[in-house]
Amino acid sequence: DQQVKQNSPSLSVQEGRISILNCDYTNSMFDYFLWYKKYPAEGPTFLISISSIKDKNEDGRFTVFLNKSAKHLSLHIVPSQPGDSAVYFCAASASHAGGTSYGKLTFGQGTILTVHP
Amino acid sequence: NAGVMQNPRHLVRRRGQEARLRCSPMKGHSHVYWYRQLPEEGLKFMVYLQKENIIDESGMPKERFSAEFPKEGPSILRIQQVVRGDSAAYFCASSPPLSGGPLHFGNGTRLTVT
Repeated sequence: DQQVKQNSPSLSVQEGRISILNCDYTNSMFDYFLWYKKYPAEGPTFLISISSIKDKNEDGRFTVFLNKSAKHLSLHIVPSQPGDSAVYFCAASASHAGGTSYGKLTFGQGTILTVHP
Repeated sequence: NAGVMQNPRHLVRRRGQEARLRCSPMKGHSHVYWYRQLPEEGLKFMVYLQKENIIDESGMPKERFSAEFPKEGPSILRIQQVVRGDSAAYFCASSPPLSGGPLHFGNGTRLTVT
């Protein structure tokens, strides 16, 4: 039961262009979404997050968009740089009974982004 | 401020042996999470612990796996009688006492069962 799906295993982009990574989810209880970046032999590094009360969050070159009706989110990287080449994971969590989310994340399978110079 | 520390980075065990993976959370963090990443897959939640308490172990296999986070010392993920299917990367993450906000992950322990 794959509750978070990243349907594109890989994406190749030219340096300076926009990278768009997509993620779909099925669990309507998810209310907090995150993107992590992972280099080989390292742990995931947090990039950006969005709460379900918002539809957009921006941090420098990274913007995350959330479409709750479509249960879809996307990560835009503009402009893309060769150092952005990594695996990108989408993750989601649901608030527990206490009303706050905790670290029980459901991850997608990841998308390998390659940015060519 | 040191990040989440995991050791060993690589661990090789023969089938039937025990594997012990250690995790020291970031300073000031009292919540620890263990995740497993099988080849070609995303990370899967295993267990959530606070000091001396298991809060959520819904992702732990029912047999052979256990986790603890004692009052003093690192969190330990123990796998008894390892099998080849246990070969994976095991990641630990921590968060501060007040929940919410992103997790900070360690660099993982890569377990290989021969």
